[in-house]
Amino acid sequence: DAGVIQSPRHEVTEMGQEVTLRCKPISGHDYLFWYRQTMMRGLELLIYFNNNVPIDDSGMPEDRFSAKMPNASFSTLKIQPSEPRDSAVYFCASSLTAGGSQPQHFGDGTRLSIL
Amino acid sequence: KNQVEQSPQSLIILEGKNCTLQCNYTVSPFSNLRWYKQDTGRGPVSLTIMTFSENTKSNGRYTATLDADTKQSSLHITASQLSDSASYICVVRAGGGADGLTFGKGTHLIIQP
Repeated sequence: DAGVIQSPRHEVTEMGQEVTLRCKPISGHDYLFWYRQTMMRGLELLIYFNNNVPIDDSGMPEDRFSAKMPNASFSTLKIQPSEPRDSAVYFCASSLTAGGSQPQHFGDGTRLSIL
Repeated sequence: KNQVEQSPQSLIILEGKNCTLQCNYTVSPFSNLRWYKQDTGRGPVSLTIMTFSENTKSNGRYTATLDADTKQSSLHITASQLSDSASYICVVRAGGGADGLTFGKGTHLIIQP
């Protein structure tokens, strides 16, 4: 089991540039989540998908953020244009079910720095 | 508003000592509570999960307790090891939805040799 795979692990870019974060969930998991983690706010849910369909994107901070899941094995989170306040660690997680006893399995995150 | 408060924010103890981390929540309706361990530079990993009817659950040297009446949980680490240095995050689920999770900000634990 390869776990949830995220790329890149680190991204440094200048303000105004487009940033694309990538995620490969665990095979067979029907749910995929995107989170943002900062020291001030901890982990925040941005958006989640069920069977490739976005279910709740109320956590997406602005229209500059967008997420897609074109198939069961791939998802992207895009920021365009990026701003310094977007600097954070972005995590992707997947799970078998929506709730109950099944945990979310997290990737190791993308550390994003916007200069 | 659903909230999860963790204390202390950070803690430093000597290797071999025990410690207890606290989690207080105001999440309703309560479904379950999970503790995650997050090593530096890694994603969180689930340690234990507790439902309403469970008071205590162990995972090796980690023991979680839950008091649903006072809405408090604790994570006790016995005979700490250097590898226990990490952040520990308390997560409470309300209802059954995939988005019904409230995250604490975590306790940063450092084990010194």
